[in-house]
Amino acid sequence: QQQVKQSPQSLIVQKGGISIINCAYENTAFDYFPWYQQFPGKGPALLIAIRPDVSEKKEGRFTISFNKSAKQFSLHIMDSQPGDSATYFCAARTGANNLFFGTGTRLTVIP
Amino acid sequence: GAVVSQHPSRVICKSGTSVKIECRSLDFQATTMFWYRQFPKQSLMLMATSNEGSKATYEQGVEKDKFLINHASLTLSTLTVTSAHPEDSSFYICSARDPSPGVGSGNTIYFGEGSWLTVV
Repeated sequence: QQQVKQSPQSLIVQKGGISIINCAYENTAFDYFPWYQQFPGKGPALLIAIRPDVSEKKEGRFTISFNKSAKQFSLHIMDSQPGDSATYFCAARTGANNLFFGTGTRLTVIP
Repeated sequence: GAVVSQHPSRVICKSGTSVKIECRSLDFQATTMFWYRQFPKQSLMLMATSNEGSKATYEQGVEKDKFLINHASLTLSTLTVTSAHPEDSSFYICSARDPSPGVGSGNTIYFGEGSWLTVV
């Protein structure tokens, strides 16, 4: 059973555009929602994370929007650049336990 | 920021041999480390959770006698793939929990760069 559902599977965005990736979860005990960026052949790198008592968190061009009632959260990449082309994973966790990952979104930003 | 180092980044071994992958937390002490396996274009699959000084907890379907995990110190965990076969070829990734207070009630998890294993 997929604890965290992620969409879309792949995304193509023009340079300068906004990339939006969505995730949904069922377990209301989750209290930590990170996003990871992974380049081919590399390990995932933590991008940004949020806790459920905050509706939005912004770091540079990356923003997490969190909707607790809908049990959804999304990553917005503003002014998308070709260097942002990578696979993005959302994840969720309860306390100090293991992360449950989404299935990943392959983002391609075309010049 | 915190860094988790994995070694080797790439390894080729012959079928039937064993290979060891190391995961080190470089600037924090990690009481818990996680080992994942990732197939091309797929998400990370948790193999086991490694706690310092105790036996690893394996996920269902992961052979603990084949994938030996040792977490002998607060900065080092190792994964040994024993009697490797071509189907064990994969990208193996470790992560480590930084016990410093982070977002949420838990701690921040950092990932290593991954290790490509090819069994020929």
